[in-house]
Amino acid sequence: SAVISQKPSRDICQRGTSLTIQCQVDSQVTMMFWYRQQPGQSLTLIATANQGSEATYESGFVIDKFPISRPNLTFSTLTVSNMSPEDSSIYLCSALGGANTEAFFGQGTRLTVV
Amino acid sequence: DAKTTQPTSMDCAEGRAANLPCNHSTISGNEYVYWYRQIHSQGPQYIIHGLKNNETNEMASLIITEDRKSSTLILPHATLRDTAVYYCIVRVAGVTGTASKLTFGTGTRLQVTL
Repeated sequence: SAVISQKPSRDICQRGTSLTIQCQVDSQVTMMFWYRQQPGQSLTLIATANQGSEATYESGFVIDKFPISRPNLTFSTLTVSNMSPEDSSIYLCSALGGANTEAFFGQGTRLTVV
Repeated sequence: DAKTTQPTSMDCAEGRAANLPCNHSTISGNEYVYWYRQIHSQGPQYIIHGLKNNETNEMASLIITEDRKSSTLILPHATLRDTAVYYCIVRVAGVTGTASKLTFGTGTRLQVTL
């Protein structure tokens, strides 16, 4: 099974600023995904991080607000831009090794915007 | 991906079997049933998955009905540490890219009590 490390684990940020979250996997993976979990809610997929190309965003999420990078098969970043208090959530990174394998998740980044 | 329906919450006494149902009446022939759980303040944890045969691993058993329209996750001897939100998810198999994503519903909140 893959081990996923996310940094930072938590942060408190001022509105209008941006935060970049890093996701490191201990082995090469096929797919990487970013999710958001608002307080008391289930997980919502933000985007699929594609290696070497632009991320694929879900409905309601745009690249200007959540730019994503994936420079190689083990690393991805998610930036939350121009933050507002509504962006206060847990952001989770997920990785998938292959077509039929299970997905693994990081422990999440708890973001509070004040 | 097919939609799933789960009860909002369930209680189980410690030491007893916890049976968590899931309906996925619109599941397609190439979709697997996956179960994940999320213990408070942690990232989701993979439990088990299956296509049409019953599956068992060290954590749980998965029983899928013959018509594949529903399934049950069984934790044979629930402990307090099994208190979590359990998610039933269906996902297309044998693909990569955005089609391999997991779509989370609201899940079942299992409370294991003494």
